[in-house]
Amino acid sequence: DTGVSQNPRHKITKRGQNVTFRCDPISEHNRLYWYRQTLGQGPEFLTYFQNEAQLEKSRLLSDRFSAERPKGSFSTLEIQRTEQGDSAMYLCASSSHDWGGMNTEAFFGQGTRLTVV
Amino acid sequence: AQSVAQPEDQVNVAEGNPLTVKCTYSVSGNPYLFWYVQYPNRGLQFLLKYITGDNLVKGSYGFEAEFNKSQTSFHLKKPSALVSDSALYFCAVRGRMDSSYKLIFGSGTRLLVRP
Repeated sequence: DTGVSQNPRHKITKRGQNVTFRCDPISEHNRLYWYRQTLGQGPEFLTYFQNEAQLEKSRLLSDRFSAERPKGSFSTLEIQRTEQGDSAMYLCASSSHDWGGMNTEAFFGQGTRLTVV
Repeated sequence: AQSVAQPEDQVNVAEGNPLTVKCTYSVSGNPYLFWYVQYPNRGLQFLLKYITGDNLVKGSYGFEAEFNKSQTSFHLKKPSALVSDSALYFCAVRGRMDSSYKLIFGSGTRLLVRP
């Protein structure tokens, strides 16, 4: 399968612990996004990478959150000192551009569901 | 600021009947518009998009959507619903001037198709 892959699928952690999630985008996609989805809501944008450069961060991304995309391939999202309010589904997506320079639609992974107890 | 409204939390329809899931948007300039579907414990799956051109866009699984600039709407439609269409549907918008290409999603509409 050459879709977007996220690991782990589920993570339960105690409040105050650090967690790290991984996203492997579609191999030829140079754009990568992280979103957060809470119950009953649509996904909310967290951050965006073009290749290895993090070009935009949402105000939702507090200083406890950090994301990286070394070498422009996979990406990691780390949450330090987790809080119960961090409980959510964390979605990764990737996209590219077509021959006309138009951005393709974003393809989403299955997400990592984080539960902070 | 960009935003998307999906005014119905849930839409109920009988199998074989036509369905409509409503979406209105607010964005500066001309929009790119998308519909995604989410099944339980799954990520979002792309259904269709409006970029430019014909206001009626056809997508996967027999779905279509009509872009209406004057009403700033992009309603999702299907002529004949299937029980398997039952899922959570999200409308999303991106401004043409947004260099990050990020999507702004609505809160979602749950579609329930009864046999």
